Amino acid sequence: EVQLVESGGGLVQPGRSLKLSCAASGFTFSNYGMAWVRQTPTKGLEWVASISTGGGNTYYRDSVKGRFTISRDNAKNTQYLQMDSLRSEDTATYYCARHPSYVMDAWGQGASVTVSS
Amino acid sequence: DIVMTQTPSSQAVSAGEKVTMSCKSSQSLLYSENKKNYLAWYQQKPGQSPKLLISWASTRESGVPDRFIGSGSGTDFTLTISSVQAEDLAVYYCEQYYDTPYTFGAGTKLELK
Repeated sequence: EVQLVESGGGLVQPGRSLKLSCAASGFTFSNYGMAWVRQTPTKGLEWVASISTGGGNTYYRDSVKGRFTISRDNAKNTQYLQMDSLRSEDTATYYCARHPSYVMDAWGQGASVTVSS
Repeated sequence: DIVMTQTPSSQAVSAGEKVTMSCKSSQSLLYSENKKNYLAWYQQKPGQSPKLLISWASTRESGVPDRFIGSGSGTDFTLTISSVQAEDLAVYYCEQYYDTPYTFGAGTKLELK
């Protein structure tokens, strides 16, 4: 069974950093692209970033470029989202998703991130 | 960015009813080279993460009941549930993966009448 388990969420002040992790199991992690998608009641679902199987190619939405970094460790079956210079508008539930060629075909349970002073 | 517009925003249904919901994109999602529409449908039940139902506008994922039918091409797409069951009460989202940033519609919420 495919499992994606996010961790690392929490409350953080504006301008500070937070790093999310996503532990994958039940499939050959190194064979799949991965992604992060966030959700808020007001903006809905927003794709945040994607990473290729080997980690050599990364893609970001404009609003997080230069502040967020997606990465992965295939030996640990884990992907990460380093979030720097956080803003209030980054407050959301962040989902880890398996991202094989386009669609997000498996999702984690989500990690809550609140950016507030 | 490609804008995805879903209608209606909510719909009250009874078990056994046929339901249709619409998703329109601000530009065509049909890639001429392979004749594929880069459109997916997801289901999100309360307190759960989204679940992929349909990709390429009409291809059901493994295990998805055949009462879920995706159709359409270009800029106009439809998700039909041929006979709604109680477990289908959820929010349904369309997503385009034709171009980054991948974008989602605001969702159609199915509620019990």
